[in-house]
Amino acid sequence: NAGVMQNPRHLVRRRGQEARLRCSPMKGHSHVYWYRQLPEEGLKFMVYLQKENIIDESGMPKERFSAEFPKEGPSILRIQQVVRGDSAAYFCASSPIWTGELFFGEGSRLTVL
Amino acid sequence: GQQLNQSPQSMFIQEGEDVSMNCTSSSIFNTWLWYKQDPGEGPVLLIALYKAGELTSNGRLTAQFGITRKDSFLNISASIPSDVGIYFCAGLDSNYQLIWGAGTKLIIKP
Repeated sequence: NAGVMQNPRHLVRRRGQEARLRCSPMKGHSHVYWYRQLPEEGLKFMVYLQKENIIDESGMPKERFSAEFPKEGPSILRIQQVVRGDSAAYFCASSPIWTGELFFGEGSRLTVL
Repeated sequence: GQQLNQSPQSMFIQEGEDVSMNCTSSSIFNTWLWYKQDPGEGPVLLIALYKAGELTSNGRLTAQFGITRKDSFLNISASIPSDVGIYFCAGLDSNYQLIWGAGTKLIIKP
């Protein structure tokens, strides 16, 4: 059983470029969550998606950030025109139903130069 | 918004010591969860608690769901080097929002 797969594990971008982070949930899981973690800090909720629907995006910045979870394929977190403050670890988690029991991926570490 | 107060923020302990950490809230939660994050990895669920007063063990770990539903604690007995990491509590409120604590960083003194 493959766990939650995130790629790339590390991504370096220059200011103004776009970053795309991908997440394949565990098999059978239809709920996907994205979190951001700054160094030495806790997890900050960004967005909760089910297939083809955004359920809760209350933690997502209003500009430059978007997320999708299409019918086929992985969930994508897209950051346009990246700035240095976007440098962080971005974690994806999935669950079969909504209970709070989340299965996390190993994270994608974005560095903006 | 709702907050969980997790303490202590960090702990320096000797190998073999017992560890205790807790989370408190001004709001009631329906579920309490404890996660552990190893350096460079994603969090992993340790224990989930669903009933007020529930006491659950997972090996050397024991967690309790407070009777008021506003707090939870996690104990680790006889700590070993692989226990180092950050421990997060999380609570599921009546609106099914998952609220996270800021984490307790466990460091074992050499």
